[in-house]
Amino acid sequence: QQPVQSPQAVILREGEDAVINCSSSKALYSVHWYRQKHGEAPVFLMILLKGGEQKGHEKISASFNEKKQQSSLYLTASQLSYSGTYFCGTRGIPNFVFGPGTRLSVLP
Amino acid sequence: NAGVMQNPRHLVRRRGQEARLRCSPMKGHSHVYWYRQLPEEGLKFMVYLQKENIIDESGMPKERFSAEFPKEGPSILRIQQVVRGDSAAYFCASSPTGTNQNSPLHFGNGTRLTVT
Repeated sequence: QQPVQSPQAVILREGEDAVINCSSSKALYSVHWYRQKHGEAPVFLMILLKGGEQKGHEKISASFNEKKQQSSLYLTASQLSYSGTYFCGTRGIPNFVFGPGTRLSVLP
Repeated sequence: NAGVMQNPRHLVRRRGQEARLRCSPMKGHSHVYWYRQLPEEGLKFMVYLQKENIIDESGMPKERFSAEFPKEGPSILRIQQVVRGDSAAYFCASSPTGTNQNSPLHFGNGTRLTVT
């Protein structure tokens, strides 16, 4: 089953912070985060595992609460290059599904 | 560079024709996933394959769509008798293992299919 993401869209000014949330009704063993820029392929950002918090990319970090079946992506001091659509992804058995995406627009 | 290679990048077909989309996974990767993406929408899972096996095709339409990943050569997503609603970007992704939670997916640049 597809995870749920919120918000659907965010508009920021350069330097502002944002949080993107991902949740699932099924048990999560890991959460992946990807970013896709318009017209391009999704790019892997980081993986969150059970019991772990990981900083993986620029000033972007994430947390994972397996009990609540939720993950959050934190973007601090956003840059213009952060603009794009962010997807969380989870491994099903045996497939891999993505949330609907959160569109982030960073304005100068 | 041994990234995921998809071809063609753009494909135009008339209604009723067949479309064949190819995906060569990264070197050493034996697991391939196909996704469909409509404009301004998310990545919809279609099928997951290992070499010579379809592991999960729960996201594939029952008719006209098929996929394979032969022992030699690329994975192929085949759409027969295309209709306008098939117009979309089709992405494939590969990973070295299927169930390892630590394995990210590596995406190709996609094939943009336009049905006229």
